[in-house]
Amino acid sequence: DGGITQSPKYLFRKEGQNVTLSCEQNLNHDAMYWYRQDPGQGLRLIYYSQIVNDFQKGDIAEGYSVSREKKESFPLTVTSAQKNPTAFYLCASSMSGSTDTQYFGPGTRLTVL
Amino acid sequence: QKEVEQNSGPLSVPEGAIASLNCTYSDRGSQSFFWYRQYSGKSPELIMFIYSNGDKEDGRFTAQLNKASQYVSLLIRDSQPSDSATYLCAVNMILMGRRALTFGSGTRLQVQP
Repeated sequence: DGGITQSPKYLFRKEGQNVTLSCEQNLNHDAMYWYRQDPGQGLRLIYYSQIVNDFQKGDIAEGYSVSREKKESFPLTVTSAQKNPTAFYLCASSMSGSTDTQYFGPGTRLTVL
Repeated sequence: QKEVEQNSGPLSVPEGAIASLNCTYSDRGSQSFFWYRQYSGKSPELIMFIYSNGDKEDGRFTAQLNKASQYVSLLIRDSQPSDSATYLCAVNMILMGRRALTFGSGTRLQVQP
């Protein structure tokens, strides 16, 4: 099956902890994205990557970090510097550039204890 | 003014009726437009995309684009209770010097049996 997988589905973080969210795709897409969604709000772009070993900050990158060492993988680390990390995190991918259709993974719900 | 604006709803329609969802956007140079459906607690799934002025039909769904008036709409014919969800409008636009997909906050649709 082709698609985008995210893990874990639910994640609980203690204050001061860094946590890493996984995103893998087997669609052979070049571009990958991370979004954050808060209740009743649209999606906000955290980071995106258009090719391996390159990534760019989105609108709300502070407190987050990413890597893109493989085409298939785009993990997101939520650091302790992110003051309000409780949210629904969505990973997406597209064939190439930002004008292409984006497809989403199932999401990870992060809660800070 | 928000870059992509949608009425939050809820929009309530009876089963079998036509549901009309609207979206306005701020960037006159936008070229691609997307409608996603998001069930509660789930990730967005693509319904349709449209690039050219006019109507685009796919089954019970019709997307309508008017670039001069900067709005895009989604019509759902013969609405079913299973259509009850939040519908996100996304517009590819230039923000802060880069082209990115910008999402509205979504319109919640309720189809009454």
